[in-house]
Order: sequence, then structure tokens, then C-alpha cells
Amino acid sequence: EVQLVESGGGLVQPGGSLRLSCGGSGFTFSTYWMTWVRQAPGKGPEWVGNIKPDGSEKSYVDSVKGRFTISRDNAKDSLYLQMNSLRAEDTAVYYCVRGTYWFFYWGQGTLVTVSS
Amino acid sequence: EIVLTQSPGTLSLSPGERATLSCRASQSVNSGFLAWYQQKPGQAPRLLIYDTSTRATGIPDRFSGSGSGTDFTLIISRVEPEDFVVYFCQQYGNSPWTFGRGTKVEI
Repeated sequence: EVQLVESGGGLVQPGGSLRLSCGGSGFTFSTYWMTWVRQAPGKGPEWVGNIKPDGSEKSYVDSVKGRFTISRDNAKDSLYLQMNSLRAEDTAVYYCVRGTYWFFYWGQGTLVTVSS
Repeated sequence: EIVLTQSPGTLSLSPGERATLSCRASQSVNSGFLAWYQQKPGQAPRLLIYDTSTRATGIPDRFSGSGSGTDFTLIISRVEPEDFVVYFCQQYGNSPWTFGRGTKVEI
């Protein structure tokens, strides 16, 4: 059974940093593109960015470019999202998702709240 | 980026009725690369349809998708009690991938 489990969310002040982690199991993690999707309260989801299976290519939505970094450790079946210079508008549930186009497998999400 | 506009914002129906949800793109979606998701409160979105009209694994055949270019439709042929939740469309034909704001189907 495919499972994706996020961790690392919490309350952070504007300008602060946070690192999210996602552990994958039940599939060969190293062969899949992985994606981060976020959803602000009461809003539609927003694609944040993705990473190629070997980590050599990454893409980001413009609103997080230069502030967020996606990485992965295939030896640990893990995906990461390093978030710096956080803003109030980054407040959302962050989902780890398998795939790069449409998304069948989602984690349960981890809530990031940016507030003073 | 492509903006997806979903309508109506809220759709009021009775169980057993037909639901028609619209997703209009600000520009043509390449190759019909459009998906639909269902989201229940407190849960992650669930993939219903991809590539405009292909049902995802395990999705009942009362859900169907159609469309092309800039206009896409999700139809629920007979709405069941568990279908009264929120639906989103997503395009993956032009980067960045984008989602609509959703349609809530309510009783």
C-alpha cells in the first residue's frame, strides 16, 4: 500500500524558516517524480513545485522561487521542502504528492501557520 | 499562468439528481491535460478524472468528464449522499500547473 507521511509543520513567525519532510513507503520512491501541493484555508490547492526522481531537475511556482527548496534523499525514501523567508500568505496545509501531472496518491498533509 | 474558473460556486441538488460542474480555462489547455478531484472536509483531495475523461482507479462510473480547449465539464449522473462535497479541477498542460477554486455540491 502506498503511503506518504508528512511532518515538520507548525507555527512560525514571518521571516522564519521551516523544513517539511515526507516519508514514502509501499512503492519504489527513487523512480517517481514527487510534488508538493499546498492548500490555504478555504481555498483551492496550489502546486508548489516538483522534483525529478534523481533530484537533477526541480520546478517551482513563482511565488516561492528563491525562498523554497525541494530536495530528496532516495536512500531514505524521503522528500523535503525547505521554506525560508516565510510570509503570512504561505499559511496552508502542505501535501506531499506522488507524480508530476495528475495526483492519485497524497499524504495527509501538515499545517504550516505563519503568524506573529 | 492558466487561471481556471469553476462554476457554479455552489450547486444545490437533491440525491439522485444530475450534477453538472464547469471548469473554464483562461487559455487552451494543452492536449486536454485536465483533472478533477473531490475533497471531503479534513481530507486530502481524491483524484476522480484525468486527461479530461479517464476515470481514476476505483472511481464509480456515475462520474464522467468531457471537454476540450478551454471548456471542461464534470458530470455526476446521479448524486449519492457521499457526493455532497467540494470538487476542484486542475490543469497540467502548461506550467505552472494550476487548480480552480472549487465547486461545492450541497443538498
